[in-house]
Amino acid sequence: ETGVTQTPRHLVMGMTNKKSLKCEQHLGHNAMYWYKQSAKKPLELMFVYNFKEQTENNSVPSRFSPECPNSSHLFLHLHTLQPEDSALYLCASSYRALPGDTDTQYFGPGTRLTVL
Amino acid sequence: AQTVTQSQPEMSVQEAETVTLSCTYDTSESDYYLFWYKQPPSRQMILVIRQEAYKQQNATENRFSVNFQKAAKSFSLKISDSQLGDAAMYFCAYSSRQGAQKLVFGQGTRLTINP
Repeated sequence: ETGVTQTPRHLVMGMTNKKSLKCEQHLGHNAMYWYKQSAKKPLELMFVYNFKEQTENNSVPSRFSPECPNSSHLFLHLHTLQPEDSALYLCASSYRALPGDTDTQYFGPGTRLTVL
Repeated sequence: AQTVTQSQPEMSVQEAETVTLSCTYDTSESDYYLFWYKQPPSRQMILVIRQEAYKQQNATENRFSVNFQKAAKSFSLKISDSQLGDAAMYFCAYSSRQGAQKLVFGQGTRLTINP
């Protein structure tokens, strides 16, 4: 399944570095998501974008800065991260469903981030 | 707030046998969706099956089926004729009809297939 791609697959960064994660979907979807998957914790929704507009920020610290230039691309800009931010970061996309219906989300393979 | 609980951190099954993974959830809503996702070692989260709460009929997808008990708030996944490729983390997830984009995930169950 290559409908949603993420780069890089692995990233190691220091606490003072600035880096970006990239997500691209090839499914013609109009909604995109960032999730954080930490060891021994359930997946946590971070951000939701619909038609390039951010519609959900799940109380994410400002050191994580998302960007959605178009419906196919989503970035997560990282700066001054903490070691506890080390996790697998997953991107997903979906069709923005009509009210009352649900969005079935399709996920990318994730970026394994390590903060030293 | 809704919560999803998977009480089995690990399960194992012999190849070709049947295994059932448990999931319970807590919600005050009457209309919602439930999902099972599979995450193999490649880390790609793959949708296995989806159930609409308003449908009484249990969803099935080939060897995968669910037992949806709305009153008990239970949503178990049955895998028949287990194959080596079924080895993965399995996550149960919930989304409300109102907040359809907010998936709430359980902690996951690691499934091992013994040859």
